[in-house]
Parts: sequence; C-alpha cells; structure tokens
Amino acid sequence: EVQVVESGGGLVQPGRSLRLSCVASGFTFDDFAMHWVRQAPGQGLEWVSGISWNSGSIGYADSVKGRFTISRDNTKNSLYLQMNSLRPEDAALYYCAKDGGRYISSRFDPWGQGTLVTVSS
Amino acid sequence: SSELTQDPAVSVALGQTVRITCQGDSLRSYYASWYQQKPGQAPVLVIYDKNNRPSGIPDRFSGSSSGNTASLTITGAQAEDEADYYCNSRDTSGDHVVFGGGTKLTVL
Repeated sequence: EVQVVESGGGLVQPGRSLRLSCVASGFTFDDFAMHWVRQAPGQGLEWVSGISWNSGSIGYADSVKGRFTISRDNTKNSLYLQMNSLRPEDAALYYCAKDGGRYISSRFDPWGQGTLVTVSS
Repeated sequence: SSELTQDPAVSVALGQTVRITCQGDSLRSYYASWYQQKPGQAPVLVIYDKNNRPSGIPDRFSGSSSGNTASLTITGAQAEDEADYYCNSRDTSGDHVVFGGGTKLTVL
C-alpha cells in the first residue's frame, strides 16, 4: 500500500522553530516529487512547498519563503519541513503528499493524515 | 503568483448532474487536478491531467477544460459525494502550485 505518514507537529511559541517529517512506504520514494500542503482550521488548502525527486527543483509559497526549508533523504524514504520564525498564521494541519512524477506537478496522491502545528504563546 | 477561483458553495439534487468550476490564468498553460475532502479526512485525488481518474474513483466523476476554466462534473450525484472540492494546478511562476479556495457541495 502506498502510504505517507507525517509527524513532528506540536505547540510552539511564536518565533520558534519546528521540524516536520514524513515517512513514505509502498513506492520507490526517489522516483517521485513530494509536497507539503497545509490547512488552517475551517479554511482551504494551501500549498506550502514542493521538491523534485533529486532535490534539484524546489518551490515555496510566498507566505513561507525564507522561513521554511523543504528537504528529503532518499536513503531514509523521508521528507522534511524545517519551519523557522513561526507565526500564529502558520498554525494549521500540515499534510505530506506524493506527486505523480519526478518533478513538481499538480497531481498529489496519496496524502497523509496530517500533523497539527499550533503557534501560540 | 497565480490564483484559482472557485464558487464557495454548490448544491445538487440526488441523482442529478453538477458542475464545479475553477478559473485562473495558470489553467491556460497547465491542467487542473481535483480533490475531494470530507470532514475530518485528508483530501483524495479524483481527477488529474484534466480528465484522468485514479484507480477506485467512480466514473461519474469527470473533468474538462477550456481556456482559463477547468470543470469537475459529477453525473448522477450520490449522497456520499457531499464534500469540499478543491482544484489545483501548476503556477506559471516556476516550481509552484496553487489551490483554489474550495467548493462545498451539498447533495439535496
């Protein structure tokens, strides 16, 4: 079964950092791009960042550029999101999603169940 | 960066056909994908590359595109289709992806 599972969420104070992880199974991880998407409570989906199969192409939403860093370790089938200088508006459920190909596209399947990030003092 | 616009809410009578639309400049260059999200669940891909269905998605779901508008059509809507639907596409500004604001579908 193709599966991605997120972890690392929690309560963090504004200005602090947090690192999210996503472990993939059931497919050849280094053949696919990967993404982070977030959803604030009661709100819509917001693409956060994506990374190609070999980390050669990376993109960020304007709202997180310069504060968040996406990375992957193909030897560990893992995707990461380093989040620095967190703001209250970064609070959301963060989803990891597998892309349909090696490079960033709009085909996200499957998605994990998400990890919740709360930013509050 | 580009934006994708969706109607906030749409309703359909049980068994009837409904079309959900998504508008944006990026759709002139890139295909849309569509996602279904039910309360408390992760999104599920239902259409990709304009009109391709992943395995397990019923054939009552179909997609189309014209100009700057992509559409998701549900032919013979079922009660279990009641959900939020989101479109997305590649953004014209490099390696970015953009989502629409979502459409809440009510099946009457």
